[in-house]
Amino acid sequence: DAKTTQPNSMESNEEEPVHLPCNHSTISGTDYIHWYRQLPSQGPEYVIHGLTSNVNNRMASLAIAEDRKSSTLILHRATLRDAAVYYCILRDRGSQGNLIFGKGTKLSVKP
Amino acid sequence: DTGVSQDPRHKITKRGQNVTFRCDPISEHNRLYWYRQTLGQGPEFLTYFQNEAQLEKSRLLSDRFSAERPKGSFSTLEIQRTEQGDSAMYLCASSTSGGQGADTFGSGTRLTVV
Repeated sequence: DAKTTQPNSMESNEEEPVHLPCNHSTISGTDYIHWYRQLPSQGPEYVIHGLTSNVNNRMASLAIAEDRKSSTLILHRATLRDAAVYYCILRDRGSQGNLIFGKGTKLSVKP
Repeated sequence: DTGVSQDPRHKITKRGQNVTFRCDPISEHNRLYWYRQTLGQGPEFLTYFQNEAQLEKSRLLSDRFSAERPKGSFSTLEIQRTEQGDSAMYLCASSTSGGQGADTFGSGTRLTVV
């Protein structure tokens, strides 16, 4: 699986949008982009995934660059409960195996 | 279904003792994964089952570690002769095969070896 690069940490104010970037310059055509987050003392939690088109769900939006070498996870209105480590992970379409986690981005949300 | 359950949530053991953790996946999920996570790091893959077959093991899984998934339902992870370096959070995840569906993680078992 290809590698991803994320900032170590980011800060946001409560009720403001948050844009979490991820670079994946070596992404292959069959890699899906997955985002998971991990709240303190919890296991990781699935957030969203996409291949080429932007995706929306109840938790977040995923914006994928046209060349697919980067993507951005968008939290539209951050809450204190969104404070977590966010992981951007590439997973091959044919993969039946494990997720490969990096260190992720630690998001702090200020009231 | 209440998601992936792991037991116990916390375990403190003396160095040299054996420990066993249990994971109950979501009932219709045929894939089950074990990960280990140390402080400040992302989870690292240990092993993976499809139904009852153990299909892949990481080089992190030394011969002191063994995992089973009898009848393709719950799974156990045993660590023999624990060492202080085994102190970590042990996470279990499950998913269905095929497609890009989400993996569902349990809350983990935190092991402290003293």
